[in-house]
Amino acid sequence: QKEVEQDPGPLSVPEGAIVSLNCTYSNSAFQYFMWYRQYSRKGPELLMYTYSSGNKEDGRFTAQVDKSSKYISLFIRDSQPSDSATYLCAMRNSGGSNYKLTFGKGTLLTVNP
Amino acid sequence: EAQVTQNPRYLITVTGKKLTVTCSQNMNHEYMSWYRQDPGLGLRQIYYSMNVEVTDKGDVPEGYKVSRKEKRNFPLILESPSPNQTSLYFCASRNTGDLPLHFGNGTRLTVT
Repeated sequence: QKEVEQDPGPLSVPEGAIVSLNCTYSNSAFQYFMWYRQYSRKGPELLMYTYSSGNKEDGRFTAQVDKSSKYISLFIRDSQPSDSATYLCAMRNSGGSNYKLTFGKGTLLTVNP
Repeated sequence: EAQVTQNPRYLITVTGKKLTVTCSQNMNHEYMSWYRQDPGLGLRQIYYSMNVEVTDKGDVPEGYKVSRKEKRNFPLILESPSPNQTSLYFCASRNTGDLPLHFGNGTRLTVT
């Protein structure tokens, strides 16, 4: 079983739709959970992060972590064409000297005008 | 502007010809790391550095070398590139206690 599983899509939605992106993981030591957005020909950029379980909201984006189910989600409300990108979930332990992130494979999202 | 700069952005080379991909950050970050991104495999860590002269292997270090002689620079060296090193490479940095990894815009390497 891979440490982090993410459906690669592709996912195509109309403008204004609510988008749900998800990852599951197997390592119960993961404490920090992140979502990165990667536009074509660019590096990933941090979109949201949460520590341990719970929800976090930032504008149209909501990140949820359910540690009991080892499941994290990113919701995008009122999706815009500018949201078209690959979304990567990432996570790491709280300890250790290496700030290594374990990434999902990414979900390619297209928002159609 | 705070950034991580990689060069070159695109590189085509032949098997066995040594190459270096440079990475420089202007944020005075202590931690730097290299990742490769492959379809179906995602981002995987190659090497990382906690500070000057301190480097260590990530998950896929075979065939790569790094050095950290200065805080701002963290070059990735392929002594004898092979076709299975054809990939998209990202350099990243972060400050101690700061969560986000800041990524460069990538170097697309093709080894024929």
